[in-house]
Amino acid sequence: ELKVEQNPLFLSMQEGKNYTIYCNYSTTSDRLYWYRQDPGKSLESLFVLLSNGAVKQEGRLMASLDTKARLSTLHITAAVHDLSATYFCAALDDKIIFGKGTRLHILP
Amino acid sequence: GAGVSQSPRYKVAKRGQDVALRCDPISGHVSLFWYQQALGQGPEFLTYFQNEAQLDKSGLPSDRFFAERPEGSVSTLKIQRTQQEDSAVYLCASSPNFDRGHGYTFGSGTRLTVV
Repeated sequence: ELKVEQNPLFLSMQEGKNYTIYCNYSTTSDRLYWYRQDPGKSLESLFVLLSNGAVKQEGRLMASLDTKARLSTLHITAAVHDLSATYFCAALDDKIIFGKGTRLHILP
Repeated sequence: GAGVSQSPRYKVAKRGQDVALRCDPISGHVSLFWYQQALGQGPEFLTYFQNEAQLDKSGLPSDRFFAERPEGSVSTLKIQRTQQEDSAVYLCASSPNFDRGHGYTFGSGTRLTVV
């Protein structure tokens, strides 16, 4: 059974700093997803990673995938307050399985 | 429609009451998923439809939970004899094709509170 674990679960950081969220998954998966969720809102798709070594970037966010290590990372560069949200990693079994999420709070 | 629409947005139910949650997927989307998100947790899979066929209901937590999509578009998630542990946000998502790994578009969810 596929399990997805994220760490940290909570992260408070200063604006302008860099940080990385880690996502491990327990069994082979073809695809890895990152979603963003603002309080009371729906899930917004950020990245879909399909292959080993895949790297995708959008603004200050960069996601990467190492299928051999079963590890994905979401790197935040020079954080700004607008990036405060909960970030979910998810992997594909025969359906998408989510981690518990990383609640990111960026202090001005 | 432009996105996945869920109603009601909020629902308060007394314990033991039956509730019905509605999902309007994006027009033409073949696949439809229901997830349950407890407070502070990630979404957990409940069930999956491909058109009108319910292909996977392995995540439904008990026989009090029932989902249908009779015409392959709108779906309803019904919870009978609600319990406090059913309190959660229920998210619906749809996808345009048969590929279960294709990106999902999520609705805003229905927040169910059982008192």
